[in-house]
Amino acid sequence: AQTVTQSQPEMSVQEAETVTLSCTYDTSESDYYLFWYKQPPSRQMILVIRQEAYKQQNATENRFSVNFQKAAKSFSLKISDSQLGDAAMYFCAYRPGSGAGSYQLTFGKGTKLSVIP
Amino acid sequence: DSGVTQTPKHLITATGQRVTLRCSPRSGDLSVYWYQQSLDQGLQFLIHYYNGEERAKGNILERFSAQQFPDLHSELNLSSLELGDSALYFCASSKRDRGHNEQFFGPGTRLTVL
Repeated sequence: AQTVTQSQPEMSVQEAETVTLSCTYDTSESDYYLFWYKQPPSRQMILVIRQEAYKQQNATENRFSVNFQKAAKSFSLKISDSQLGDAAMYFCAYRPGSGAGSYQLTFGKGTKLSVIP
Repeated sequence: DSGVTQTPKHLITATGQRVTLRCSPRSGDLSVYWYQQSLDQGLQFLIHYYNGEERAKGNILERFSAQQFPDLHSELNLSSLELGDSALYFCASSKRDRGHNEQFFGPGTRLTVL
């Protein structure tokens, strides 16, 4: 079974600084997708960024970028120029591209990010 | 706003009762997914429907059931409720059932079982 591990339960960052959240996953699949979701205090789950395993180029969305290391099964999220609104729980998620389990997302336990003014 | 709507936002009920949670997917999305978020179990996939048909089941209890109607809205039925069923229940939708398609989450229904 696929597993997603986020080893940092909590992290903090100074406003305007850069922070990196870690995520590792375990899979025997070669085709899969990885995601970072943000859950602010409102509890809404918001998709931050997506990475396809077949793409070597790391995904970027404005201040958010990932470091995807397929061989190491690592998928970290870098937030640049942190803002107060970035404070939230961040969840790493995995989904196979085909076969059993390709419908649902498997989530890590989450990392709570605090932004210090 | 993801475009996915869920009602009610909050639900407080007693043990042994039955409740129904409702989800309307984004316009054009055929897939609906249900997830449960609890403190001890984290975010867990419950069940997936695509265009009215059940496609996959995850860690869904036998006391729980779901369906997707012809207008594509979905309902999650929880019966014989226990204290441990207290959680945030999310519905998500996507255009297709697999492959390169993102899941967009609704605001969730917070269920409290007393």
